[in-house]
Parts: sequence; C-alpha cells; structure tokens
Amino acid sequence: QKEVEQNSGPLSVPEGAIASLNCTYSDRGSQSFFWYRQYSGKSPELIMFIYSNGDKEDGRFTAQLNKASQYVSLLIRDSQPSDSATYLCAVIDSWGKLQFGAGTQVVVTP
Amino acid sequence: DGGITQSPKYLFRKEGQNVTLSCEQNLNHDAMYWYRQDPGQGLRLIYYSQIVNDFQKGDIAEGYSVSREKKESFPLTVTSAQKNPTAFYLCASSDPGQGSYEQYFGPGTRLTVT
Repeated sequence: QKEVEQNSGPLSVPEGAIASLNCTYSDRGSQSFFWYRQYSGKSPELIMFIYSNGDKEDGRFTAQLNKASQYVSLLIRDSQPSDSATYLCAVIDSWGKLQFGAGTQVVVTP
Repeated sequence: DGGITQSPKYLFRKEGQNVTLSCEQNLNHDAMYWYRQDPGQGLRLIYYSQIVNDFQKGDIAEGYSVSREKKESFPLTVTSAQKNPTAFYLCASSDPGQGSYEQYFGPGTRLTVT
C-alpha cells in the first residue's frame, strides 16, 4: 500500500465548475498536509497547506482535512483553463518525512 | 529576490559519465532535498540535508552522491552506477527550525543519458 494515494485522472471539469480532488494517506500519525500544482514540464508549486481538521480557504482554493478518516481534499471553485495541471498531495508522516502522491491530472474544458 | 536555482535546465550525457547538478538557494533555509520524478509518477526522495556538512540517504540513493559544504548549496552527482539516470531532477528547501515544514522547489533539471 502506498503511503499517499490519489486518483491519477484525468479529471475533466467544465470551466466555471468546482473541481474536487481527493487524497488518502496511510500513516495515522501524519500531521502536516500540502497541495502542490505542477504544470507540464515545470516544477511543483505549493498552493495550500493545512495542519488542523476542517476547512482552510485561500481564494478559489479550499483544503479539507479529516484526520479520523485519513483523507485530505482540495476544491477548486470557478475552475479556469489555467487550472489545468497535475495536483500533488503531500503528507509529512510520523517520521517527519514528506511523502508525495503520484498526482491527479485536472483538465478544465472551455 | 529569494528563491532556488537549478542549473542547467537541460543536460545530456553519455552513458558511463558522471554528471553534477547544481542547486543553490538564498532563502536561508537549513534543509535541502533532492527528488527524482519519472513520467506519470510522484516524487521520490534521493538525498536530504538538514544542516551543513550533514546529509542522509532517501529512498533511492543508490548511484547518487551529494555534498553540503555551504548552507546555500546542495549539488547532486549522478554517477555511472545509477542504472536509469534519465529523469527530471528537483531540488527543494525548507525551514523546519522555524516551524515551517513546507518545501519549495527549484525549476528542475531534465537529465537525458544515452
């Protein structure tokens, strides 16, 4: 079992709709959770981090964390073509190591 | 203008040659990391360093070596012992001493070995 799991996609989202991305993790002792956006051929860019259960909003992005169920999600509201990218979920496990999921590809269609 | 720089952006080498990838940061971060990314896969940790003159192996250290002589610099050498060196290499840094665990990435070096 991988430490961090994500659906690979592609997730096709109409422009203006909400994109919903999910991530599950296996280490119950994980404390810090991150979402990175990676455009094709580019390096990952940090877009959100969340440490506590609940929701955290930043502009059109909302991260949701549920430690009891061991999942973290990312919502992208009013999706734009520029949101088309691969989104990587990353988790700091109980050993202090940052573990990455393989990423979910999002395609926003006009 | 703080950030992480990696050079070169593209690198081509013949099989059997060692090659060194540069990573420099001016963020004053203590920790630095090297990752490898293959098509359609997540990032895999090669080596990391939490302080100058100290570094630890990551999940896939075989065939790689690093040094950390200065806080700003963490070069990675891909040796001829690395069986499949062609990949996208990413350097990152973080400042865990300040309670900040997020990692910031450089632009990456795409290495092709033929």
